[in-house]
Amino acid sequence: GAVVSQHPSWVICKSGTSVKIECRSLDFQATTMFWYRQFPKQSLMLMATSNEGSKATYEQGVEKDKFLINHASLTLSTLTVTSAHPEDSSFYICSARLAGGPGEQFFGPGTRLTVL
Amino acid sequence: ELKVEQNPLFLSMQEGKNYTIYCNYSTTSDRLYWYRQDPGKSLESLFVLLSNGAVKQEGRLMASLDTKARLSTLHITAAVHDLSATYFCAVDTRPGNQFYFGTGTSLTVIP
Repeated sequence: GAVVSQHPSWVICKSGTSVKIECRSLDFQATTMFWYRQFPKQSLMLMATSNEGSKATYEQGVEKDKFLINHASLTLSTLTVTSAHPEDSSFYICSARLAGGPGEQFFGPGTRLTVL
Repeated sequence: ELKVEQNPLFLSMQEGKNYTIYCNYSTTSDRLYWYRQDPGKSLESLFVLLSNGAVKQEGRLMASLDTKARLSTLHITAAVHDLSATYFCAVDTRPGNQFYFGTGTSLTVIP
């Protein structure tokens, strides 16, 4: 149980285009999902907290107009990187917290974004 | 500002040896998690520590949590090559249950 999927697994796009990444909890409901970014050889940095039916809460230094997050249902959150640039190239990982659970997060397999 | 620091950052050890990775954090928390990450992959959950004094063991790995000292340890016993990976601790903060990850420890076990 507690499986989280991400789509796509990897994406290559041209500079200036927008990319959408989906995060789904497959066998449980997640009132809260989280988005992380990981640059090579670095740790995971929390970007934003996404609550179903409300606006996402962004960490300091993360541009909310550039990284659009939508959490329209209890099993789906999306991250859209708008007007992507090469410096946005990174490994994006989402996680989901089981509704009513003690707080453990279940992580997706990640999406590798490369912006040319 | 919350800080989660791991020590060491890089570790190279021979098979069969023991070693401990340390995770220090700067905020009050009674929940801490350990993860393993292989190159190009996402996180694999290792341990969930939910109270002061919690100790959990799985195979050659054992994790503990001291919330008063704001310290968690991951002890490796008789290392084997398959344990080579990067290990992260993550501190669970309240009330939003945001996770803040440690700096990571890159472990290489040499045959």
